[in-house]
Amino acid sequence: DAGVIQSPRHEVTEMGQEVTLRCKPISGHNSLFWYRQTMMRGLELLIYFNNNVPIDDSGMPEDRFSAKMPNASFSTLKIQPSEPRDSAVYFCASSFTGVWTDTQYFGPGTRLTVL
Amino acid sequence: AQSVTQPDIHITVSEGASLELRCNYSYGATPYLFWYVQSPGQGLQLLLKYFSGDTLVQGIKGFEAEFKRSQSSFNLRKPSVHWSDAAEYFCAVGGTYNDMRFGAGTRLTVKP
Repeated sequence: DAGVIQSPRHEVTEMGQEVTLRCKPISGHNSLFWYRQTMMRGLELLIYFNNNVPIDDSGMPEDRFSAKMPNASFSTLKIQPSEPRDSAVYFCASSFTGVWTDTQYFGPGTRLTVL
Repeated sequence: AQSVTQPDIHITVSEGASLELRCNYSYGATPYLFWYVQSPGQGLQLLLKYFSGDTLVQGIKGFEAEFKRSQSSFNLRKPSVHWSDAAEYFCAVGGTYNDMRFGAGTRLTVKP
């Protein structure tokens, strides 16, 4: 299996622009997580999907952030409009079951820079 | 509120030497504890986890960790470090998916 796939790996954009990050989880995995990693705040859970349904989006920082999972093999995290403080590495992770303690497999991340 | 502290930001060890990375946590009940490793440009990989039972947990890549309730610690150890172990290591603690907290990480450098 190719593992969790994220695209793009790097994104540089200007403040105010829309940014879409993409994730393909491991085939057969039922849960998907989006995380954000910054030097200041470390690794934070943004949103958690189980069977394509958002279970908890309380970690999404504000309304500028939205996430979708239209099917079991694809998820997007959108920021509109983007701001410099959104600059971070965004990770997607998937796990086999809906049990949160199941091993999560992380993608390589998308490094976002908002100028 | 739960929290996790990794006191060492950066550790350097010689190849073949033993390694111990410290992790202290604060949690109201018995927590779930995890250690992850992150190689440069990569996502996190789970090394091991502790939920209950034997307080000495074996993980992948020759790592182990010991849960000490009295000291609120979950230190990661490896008897002999390899150059490929150079990475950043994160301890995490939580009781549910949405209260999991990650430490700030410890960067490991391995000297030849």
